[in-house]
Amino acid sequence: QSALTQPASVSGSPGQSITISCTGTSSDVGSYNLVSWYQQHPGKAPKLMIYEVSKRPSGVSNRFSGSKSGNTASLTISGLQAEDEADYYCCSYAGSSGVFGGGTKLTVL
Amino acid sequence: QVQLVESGGGVVQPGRSLRLSCAASGFTFSSYGMHWVRQAPGKGLEWVAVIWYDGSNKYYADSVKGRFTISRDNSKNTLYLQMNSLRAEDTAVYYCARDPTKWELPKYYFDYWGQGTLVTVSS
Repeated sequence: QSALTQPASVSGSPGQSITISCTGTSSDVGSYNLVSWYQQHPGKAPKLMIYEVSKRPSGVSNRFSGSKSGNTASLTISGLQAEDEADYYCCSYAGSSGVFGGGTKLTVL
Repeated sequence: QVQLVESGGGVVQPGRSLRLSCAASGFTFSSYGMHWVRQAPGKGLEWVAVIWYDGSNKYYADSVKGRFTISRDNSKNTLYLQMNSLRAEDTAVYYCARDPTKWELPKYYFDYWGQGTLVTVSS
């Protein structure tokens, strides 16, 4: 149950696109299409943004998209907006357990 | 609307026990798997435990296995986390979260979260 690997921080200017990577192993990300992404603003509960690698819940902007290749999943945010500044976490099913990434702080410059 | 409200957090000495509760409303609680997820102060999210919709299966993170017990009372729409032999490293905000699958194996993602309850383990 080792944590998935995410960059500690990413940044971008309004209107730009950014991508956050999430690297696991063949025991989690690589074996299951059960990767999800969460947005967390300070002092708030996490919010589901992407599930099952690339599906968006109702109400989530289509500026958010997800993908996966091998053991690495990615979250892309296009048309960055100030309100996107937050912490982002990936999560994967790992066979009767769940495993999160360490989190990525997104700064909108 | 779906609501999850945690309670039971507080300050507890190392080695002691604490039971968290999560009251669910706005959906058919007995149809969904449920999870506990925690977040240490200033740190990332950590998955803690899952329980099947009918309570038939339970799984834990290695860090809490043998010390924590997840349970549910579907007649009371309530999820529990019994925490024994608490350690300083268990200090965290504990969230309950719903798995979106109904009557199936949980998919280990979380569509609704509570606001969290803070557990502080300190002498």
